[in-house]
Amino acid sequence: DSGVTQTPKHLITATGQRVTLRCSPRSGDLSVYWYQQSLDQGLQFLIQYYNGEERAKGNILERFSAQQFPDLHSELNLSSLELGDSALYFCASSHTGGNSPLHFGNGTRLTVT
Amino acid sequence: QQPVQSPQAVILREGEDAVINCSSSKALYSVHWYRQKHGEAPVFLMILLKGGEQKGHEKISASFNEKKQQSSLYLTASQLSYSGTYFCGTEIIAAGNKLTFGGGTRVLVKP
Repeated sequence: DSGVTQTPKHLITATGQRVTLRCSPRSGDLSVYWYQQSLDQGLQFLIQYYNGEERAKGNILERFSAQQFPDLHSELNLSSLELGDSALYFCASSHTGGNSPLHFGNGTRLTVT
Repeated sequence: QQPVQSPQAVILREGEDAVINCSSSKALYSVHWYRQKHGEAPVFLMILLKGGEQKGHEKISASFNEKKQQSSLYLTASQLSYSGTYFCGTEIIAAGNKLTFGGGTRVLVKP
């Protein structure tokens, strides 16, 4: 158990809808990362937060947004969903947000029909 | 800015050795290595910082050649439990703390 909690585990929704994925980092970790993994593909970096502030951004679509709250949990919002957004979304946390190990949650599997 | 991993896949017999390479075109702060088993989350193996330090995890070790911006992961005397997909992740000096992963190397260890 990595200590990182992601909810929900599975999400099935229709095209055009909006969903929110939630992540609680390990106790003591200040940084949260979001990654997208399509079927049998690599890990695509979306965005990183450190202590409530956005620290780095990847190729995140404009339809996607995220934030980290004062209690350090994070939410990833996906809107106007398309079939191609179907993927496994991982949240990871690290203590310092740089040069420190990432601990991954079990992911949220999103299926867009 | 995504690091390049090679090979894409490798099949081993139990007890054999393998090397996985990870290279970047940019100057790196650090290189991370993770292993992901099918249907599971990636698990941290080790991190190598600037300085060429070699790290180890069980019989898995890695090195970081700072001059070449390359890292290698060494699977020694492989065990069945080493099967999975190995990802290297890199933090580029010019890109802050963004951790970008390579495409992965699938490793299958057979009895």
